[in-house]
Amino acid sequence: QQQVKQSPQSLIVQKGGISIINCAYENTAFDYFPWYQQFPGKGPALLIAIRPDVSEKKEGRFTISFNKSAKQFSLHIMDSQPGDSATYFCAANRGGKLIFGQGTELSVKP
Amino acid sequence: GAVVSQHPSWVICKSGTSVKIECRSLDFQATTMFWYRQFPKQSLMLMATSNEGSKATYEQGVEKDKFLINHASLTLSTLTVTSAHPEDSSFYICSARGSPYNEQFFGPGTRLTVL
Repeated sequence: QQQVKQSPQSLIVQKGGISIINCAYENTAFDYFPWYQQFPGKGPALLIAIRPDVSEKKEGRFTISFNKSAKQFSLHIMDSQPGDSATYFCAANRGGKLIFGQGTELSVKP
Repeated sequence: GAVVSQHPSWVICKSGTSVKIECRSLDFQATTMFWYRQFPKQSLMLMATSNEGSKATYEQGVEKDKFLINHASLTLSTLTVTSAHPEDSSFYICSARGSPYNEQFFGPGTRLTVL
């Protein structure tokens, strides 16, 4: 019940395309859902986050879609750029602790 | 956002020795700090949570006598890997949370290699 399942494991997108990463959870006690971007050898950096009372949040090229009834949320990266190539992690918060998804390695081809 | 630093950024040590990793919140007071471990191509796994001035709470399966955590001030937490072995080689990442922020801010990580 503490798991957050993330897919796909890896993703290749052409420059200018849309990257979509999906996550699913079971525990309805999760109350905050952030997405992190991690470059090799670096710590994760917060990209965007959403609370379960909101169905969508957009910040620049990044959008989170949240489906509370389905217990799923996704990250959309519009107009993907080679500089977006990184590993992306979804996470879910409960009691101040973050449970991370397995990660998605995104490669944006020029 | 807030800034969290780690030192060292990488360390190589011999099997059986101890290694200390520092995590600092540079521009806010971190009432809570977290330590994670990340193996290559894998996700972050929470090792322990520490509140300033209190003993750390370890996640199931994490040996508290092997991974000593100290959070003696609102800007510094340390993780000491005692009697390190090659299987302890990993990327160790800390994060910090404190007023006025609700979210965790992550440090840049420390790469530990045990020979």
